[in-house]
Amino acid sequence: EDKVVQSPLSLVVHEGDTVTLNCSYEVTNFRSLLWYKQEKKAPTFLFMLTSSGIEKKSGRLSSILDKKELFSILNITATQTGDSAVYLCAVAGPSGGSYIPTFGRGTSLIVHP
Amino acid sequence: KAGVTQTPRYLIKTRGQQVTLSCSPISGHRSVSWYQQTPGQGLQFLFEYFSETQRNKGNFPGRFSGRQFSNSRSEMNVSTLELGDSALYLCASSLGDSHSPLHFGNGTRLTVT
Repeated sequence: EDKVVQSPLSLVVHEGDTVTLNCSYEVTNFRSLLWYKQEKKAPTFLFMLTSSGIEKKSGRLSSILDKKELFSILNITATQTGDSAVYLCAVAGPSGGSYIPTFGRGTSLIVHP
Repeated sequence: KAGVTQTPRYLIKTRGQQVTLSCSPISGHRSVSWYQQTPGQGLQFLFEYFSETQRNKGNFPGRFSGRQFSNSRSEMNVSTLELGDSALYLCASSLGDSHSPLHFGNGTRLTVT
Protein backbone atom coordinates (compact mmCIF):
# COMPACT_ATOMS: atom_id res chain seq x y z
CA GLU A 1 0.00 0.00 0.00
CA ASP A 2 1.32 3.45 -0.93
CA LYS A 3 2.32 5.58 2.04
CA VAL A 4 3.12 9.27 2.46
CA VAL A 5 4.40 10.59 5.78
CA GLN A 6 4.73 14.27 6.54
CA SER A 7 6.61 15.91 9.38
CA PRO A 8 6.28 17.77 11.55
CA LEU A 9 2.54 17.45 12.14
CA SER A 10 2.38 21.06 13.23
CA LEU A 11 4.64 24.04 13.40
CA VAL A 12 4.29 27.47 15.02
CA VAL A 13 6.65 30.24 13.91
CA HIS A 14 6.88 34.01 13.81
CA GLU A 15 6.75 36.18 10.73
CA GLY A 16 10.09 36.31 8.98
CA ASP A 17 11.15 32.82 10.04
CA THR A 18 12.14 30.17 7.48
CA VAL A 19 10.45 26.78 7.68
CA THR A 20 11.16 23.39 6.14
CA LEU A 21 8.39 20.84 5.75
CA ASN A 22 9.23 17.21 5.11
CA CYS A 23 7.54 14.50 3.08
CA SER A 24 8.73 10.91 2.78
CA TYR A 25 7.02 8.24 0.74
CA GLU A 26 6.80 4.59 -0.18
CA VAL A 27 4.97 3.89 -3.42
CA THR A 28 4.86 1.01 -5.85
CA ASN A 29 5.06 3.10 -9.01
CA PHE A 30 6.24 6.67 -8.67
CA ARG A 31 5.40 9.28 -11.26
CA SER A 32 5.19 12.60 -9.44
CA LEU A 33 5.13 14.28 -6.05
CA LEU A 34 2.78 17.19 -5.45
CA TRP A 35 2.49 19.88 -2.81
CA TYR A 36 -0.78 21.60 -1.94
CA LYS A 37 -1.74 24.41 0.44
CA GLN A 38 -5.09 24.12 2.23
CA GLU A 39 -6.34 27.20 4.05
CA LYS A 40 -10.07 26.88 4.56
CA LYS A 41 -11.56 24.47 2.09
CA ALA A 42 -9.99 23.78 -1.30
CA PRO A 43 -6.38 22.56 -1.39
CA THR A 44 -4.59 24.75 -3.91
CA PHE A 45 -1.81 23.35 -6.07
CA LEU A 46 1.73 24.56 -5.38
CA PHE A 47 4.26 22.29 -7.11
CA MET A 48 4.60 19.09 -9.06
CA LEU A 49 8.01 17.40 -9.00
CA THR A 50 9.00 14.49 -11.17
CA SER A 51 12.79 14.63 -11.37
CA SER A 52 15.33 14.32 -8.62
CA GLY A 53 17.45 17.28 -7.69
CA ILE A 54 15.51 19.87 -9.68
CA GLU A 55 14.29 22.69 -7.45
CA LYS A 56 10.91 24.19 -8.18
CA LYS A 57 10.49 27.77 -6.99
CA SER A 58 7.61 30.19 -6.71
CA GLY A 59 8.31 33.39 -4.84
CA ARG A 60 9.25 32.53 -1.26
CA LEU A 61 8.31 28.87 -1.68
CA SER A 62 10.59 26.22 -3.08
CA SER A 63 10.64 22.46 -3.19
CA ILE A 64 13.05 19.71 -4.13
CA LEU A 65 12.71 15.98 -4.61
CA ASP A 66 15.17 13.19 -3.80
CA LYS A 67 13.99 10.04 -5.59
CA LYS A 68 16.86 7.95 -4.25
CA GLU A 69 16.05 8.68 -0.60
CA LEU A 70 12.29 8.92 -1.31
CA PHE A 71 11.59 12.31 0.17
CA SER A 72 10.82 15.90 -0.63
CA ILE A 73 11.07 19.17 1.26
CA LEU A 74 9.06 22.35 0.98
CA ASN A 75 10.83 25.51 2.09
CA ILE A 76 9.12 28.77 2.91
CA THR A 77 11.39 31.75 3.52
CA ALA A 78 10.45 35.02 5.24
CA THR A 79 7.13 33.56 6.37
CA GLN A 80 4.03 35.77 6.52
CA THR A 81 0.75 35.32 8.39
CA GLY A 82 -0.87 34.47 5.05
CA ASP A 83 1.29 31.35 4.88
CA SER A 84 -0.71 29.89 7.78
CA ALA A 85 -2.34 26.76 6.36
CA VAL A 86 -2.12 23.00 6.18
CA TYR A 87 0.45 21.88 3.63
CA LEU A 88 -0.31 18.58 1.96
CA CYS A 89 2.12 16.32 0.18
CA ALA A 90 0.87 13.70 -2.28
CA VAL A 91 2.52 11.08 -4.45
CA ALA A 92 1.00 9.87 -7.71
CA GLY A 93 1.73 6.84 -9.81
CA PRO A 94 -0.01 4.96 -12.58
CA SER A 95 -2.94 2.84 -11.45
CA GLY A 96 -5.59 1.44 -13.74
CA GLY A 97 -4.88 4.02 -16.43
CA SER A 98 -5.06 6.99 -14.09
CA TYR A 99 -2.73 8.79 -11.70
CA ILE A 100 -4.37 8.98 -8.32
CA PRO A 101 -2.41 10.88 -5.68
CA THR A 102 -2.06 9.39 -2.22
CA PHE A 103 -2.00 12.19 0.33
CA GLY A 104 -0.14 12.57 3.58
CA ARG A 105 -1.90 13.86 6.72
CA GLY A 106 -0.42 17.32 6.23
CA THR A 107 1.66 19.78 8.24
CA SER A 108 -0.27 22.53 9.99
CA LEU A 109 1.72 25.77 9.87
CA ILE A 110 0.77 28.74 12.04
CA VAL A 111 2.64 31.99 11.49
CA HIS A 112 2.27 34.57 14.27
CA PRO A 113 2.76 38.29 13.56
CA LYS B 1 -11.29 30.15 -16.32
CA ALA B 2 -13.82 29.13 -13.67
CA GLY B 3 -12.59 26.73 -11.03
CA VAL B 4 -14.11 23.50 -9.79
CA THR B 5 -17.60 24.12 -8.42
CA GLN B 6 -19.22 21.92 -5.80
CA THR B 7 -22.79 22.09 -4.57
CA PRO B 8 -24.18 22.28 -2.03
CA ARG B 9 -21.59 23.81 0.32
CA TYR B 10 -23.20 22.40 3.45
CA LEU B 11 -25.58 19.54 4.14
CA ILE B 12 -27.13 18.17 7.30
CA LYS B 13 -28.73 14.73 7.08
CA THR B 14 -29.89 12.09 9.52
CA ARG B 15 -28.70 8.51 9.73
CA GLY B 16 -30.25 6.24 7.14
CA GLN B 17 -30.92 8.97 4.61
CA GLN B 18 -29.14 9.30 1.30
CA VAL B 19 -27.37 12.28 -0.20
CA THR B 20 -26.20 13.43 -3.65
CA LEU B 21 -23.30 15.83 -4.11
CA SER B 22 -22.51 17.61 -7.35
CA CYS B 23 -19.28 18.71 -9.00
CA SER B 24 -18.64 20.78 -12.11
CA PRO B 25 -15.01 20.49 -13.28
CA ILE B 26 -12.81 23.09 -14.89
CA SER B 27 -13.73 23.49 -18.55
CA GLY B 28 -11.78 21.01 -20.66
CA HIS B 29 -11.00 18.66 -17.77
CA ARG B 30 -12.29 15.15 -18.39
CA SER B 31 -11.16 13.55 -15.14
CA VAL B 32 -13.07 14.05 -11.91
CA SER B 33 -11.93 12.54 -8.61
CA TRP B 34 -13.68 12.50 -5.27
CA TYR B 35 -12.01 12.53 -1.86
CA GLN B 36 -13.30 12.32 1.70
CA GLN B 37 -11.44 14.45 4.23
CA THR B 38 -11.74 13.89 7.99
CA PRO B 39 -9.48 15.06 10.83
CA GLY B 40 -8.60 11.48 11.72
CA GLN B 41 -7.92 10.02 8.28
CA GLY B 42 -6.88 12.96 6.14
CA LEU B 43 -7.73 12.88 2.43
CA GLN B 44 -9.02 9.48 1.36
CA PHE B 45 -9.61 8.66 -2.30
CA LEU B 46 -13.15 7.57 -3.21
CA PHE B 47 -13.19 7.19 -7.00
CA GLU B 48 -12.16 8.76 -10.28
CA TYR B 49 -14.19 9.17 -13.45
CA PHE B 50 -12.83 9.83 -16.91
CA SER B 51 -15.03 10.25 -19.96
CA GLU B 52 -18.07 8.90 -18.09
CA THR B 53 -16.26 5.73 -16.96
CA GLN B 54 -15.09 4.90 -13.47
CA ARG B 55 -11.38 4.47 -13.96
CA ASN B 56 -10.31 3.90 -10.36
CA LYS B 57 -11.90 3.22 -7.01
CA GLY B 58 -10.74 3.53 -3.41
CA ASN B 59 -11.54 1.31 -0.44
CA PHE B 60 -14.99 2.55 0.46
CA PRO B 61 -18.16 0.48 0.86
CA GLY B 62 -20.70 0.13 -1.92
CA ARG B 63 -22.89 2.78 -0.25
CA PHE B 64 -20.61 5.30 -1.94
CA SER B 65 -21.21 5.58 -5.65
CA GLY B 66 -20.75 8.12 -8.38
CA ARG B 67 -21.26 8.89 -12.00
CA GLN B 68 -20.07 11.28 -14.65
CA PHE B 69 -22.10 12.87 -17.39
CA SER B 70 -21.17 13.61 -20.99
CA ASN B 71 -20.34 17.23 -20.07
CA SER B 72 -17.85 15.89 -17.45
CA ARG B 73 -19.97 17.02 -14.52
CA SER B 74 -20.02 14.42 -11.78
CA GLU B 75 -22.26 13.40 -8.93
CA MET B 76 -21.50 11.36 -5.86
CA ASN B 77 -24.17 9.52 -3.91
CA VAL B 78 -24.02 8.11 -0.40
CA SER B 79 -26.87 5.86 0.66
CA THR B 80 -27.89 4.73 4.15
CA LEU B 81 -25.85 7.45 5.82
CA GLU B 82 -23.89 6.66 8.97
CA LEU B 83 -22.53 9.06 11.59
CA GLY B 84 -19.01 8.25 10.38
CA ASP B 85 -19.82 9.65 6.95
CA SER B 86 -19.65 13.17 8.38
CA ALA B 87 -16.77 14.77 6.51
CA LEU B 88 -15.68 17.30 3.94
CA TYR B 89 -16.15 15.81 0.48
CA LEU B 90 -13.77 17.26 -2.06
CA CYS B 91 -14.02 16.99 -5.81
CA ALA B 92 -11.01 17.56 -8.01
CA SER B 93 -10.64 17.78 -11.76
CA SER B 94 -7.69 17.38 -14.10
CA LEU B 95 -6.83 16.57 -17.68
CA GLY B 96 -6.33 13.01 -16.46
CA ASP B 97 -2.75 12.38 -17.52
CA SER B 98 0.47 12.04 -15.53
CA HIS B 99 1.48 15.68 -16.05
CA SER B 100 -1.73 17.23 -14.80
CA PRO B 101 -2.21 18.05 -11.12
CA LEU B 102 -5.60 17.88 -9.46
CA HIS B 103 -7.50 21.12 -8.99
CA PHE B 104 -9.89 21.01 -6.06
CA GLY B 105 -13.28 22.54 -5.39
CA ASN B 106 -14.23 24.06 -2.04
CA GLY B 107 -15.96 20.90 -0.97
CA THR B 108 -19.28 19.93 0.53
CA ARG B 109 -19.39 19.73 4.32
CA LEU B 110 -21.70 16.83 5.21
CA THR B 111 -22.93 16.41 8.77
CA VAL B 112 -24.85 13.26 9.68
CA THR B 113 -26.85 13.39 12.92
